[in-house]
Order: sequence, then C-alpha cells, then structure tokens
Amino acid sequence: DQQVKQNSPSLSVQEGRISILNCDYTNSMFDYFLWYKKYPAEGPTFLISISSIKDKNEDGRFTVFLNKSAKHLSLHIVPSQPGDSAVYFCAASAPGNTPLVFGKGTRLSVIA
Amino acid sequence: EPEVTQTPSHQVTQMGQEVILRCVPISNHLYFYWYRQILGQKVEFLVSFYNNEISEKSEIFDDQFSVERPDGSNFTLKIRSTKLEDSAMYFCASSEEGQGNGELFFGEGSRLTVL
Repeated sequence: DQQVKQNSPSLSVQEGRISILNCDYTNSMFDYFLWYKKYPAEGPTFLISISSIKDKNEDGRFTVFLNKSAKHLSLHIVPSQPGDSAVYFCAASAPGNTPLVFGKGTRLSVIA
Repeated sequence: EPEVTQTPSHQVTQMGQEVILRCVPISNHLYFYWYRQILGQKVEFLVSFYNNEISEKSEIFDDQFSVERPDGSNFTLKIRSTKLEDSAMYFCASSEEGQGNGELFFGEGSRLTVL
C-alpha cells in the first residue's frame, strides 16, 4: 500500500535548467510534507517542508508546491546544479506525531 | 554542526545471529527513530522512541527487534535472530519535536548484510 508515490524513478536535467520532482499521496489525513535529499553512502538530509495550510514554500533555489485537492506536491529546483544530483525522497505525516511515510525516491542527475 | 552518528557502517552476519546497531542522536533531541531501506525500495519506518519508551512501531518491528537507550547518549537497535530479509540499510534519526512537527536528522546509516 503506497501512500506516498514518486512515479518517476529517475530524472535528468541540464545544469541551469529547472528540475521538477513530483510526488502524489493517497492519505487525506497527511498534513505535513517534507523533501529529503540523499547522496550515496549518506543518510537522508532534510531539504524543505510544507504544511497543509500553505500551498507554496520557498527556500533559495528550492520551492515546494502543494495541491491538496489533487493530493500532489512537487519540488522545483532552479537553477539546477551538478551538486543537486542525488536521490530525492518525498515524505508525509499525519497529525499526532505519526511516522513519516516515504516515497521510493527519484534519482536526479544534473548534467553539466 | 551536530550530527547523528551510527556504528558500524557495515556489518556482515550469518543468519540467526544477533546484531546490535548503535546510534548517538543529537544531544538535545528528545525523539529517536529507526528506519530502514532495503536496496532499491523505499525508506520504511521501524520504531520511534520518546521518554525512554517506544511511542510507535511498524509491522516490521516484530519480536525479533528491540530498542534501548542504555545511557544518556546511545540508542541501539537489536535484531535477535537475523533473517536474510533483514539485509538493508538501517538509519537512525532524531528530532527535537515529533515527526509531524519538524525535521528528522538522519545518520549515515548502517548497512546490514545477512548471509
């Protein structure tokens, strides 16, 4: 039962262009969403989050958009840099300190 | 910058053996977690720990698994009798607040290989 789905296992983008990573969820109780980045041989690193009361959160080159009616969120990276090449995990949680549910991840390759 | 540290980075063990994975969470954090990732699959929640007791656990966290905070700094995951399917990357994480309220800080992971 995949409550958080990242349907694209991989994405290649040219340096300087926009990277858009997508995530869909099925559990309407989720109210907090996060993106984590993971390099090989390292643990996931928190990138950006968004609460369900907002539809956009921006932090430098990273912006997360939330469409609650579509149960969809996306991470935009602009401009993309080679150092952004990593696996990006979408995660979500419901109220009450419930466990984070992760998607399978999308491997982003930014080509110089 | 404070970080979560895990040891060992890689452990190879025979099926049926006991394994203990160790973690030192960030010192002022109150919530501790274990997650795992089987190769090629998603990161899965195992257990959360707060105030010296398990606050939540998943179906994966059966009787073969246990967690302990033996002193003020370490947080351990024990697998009593390992199975082949326990082979995975095990991530420890900690946070100041619960999972729904803030970010988790993950360690670099301990790779467990069960032969």
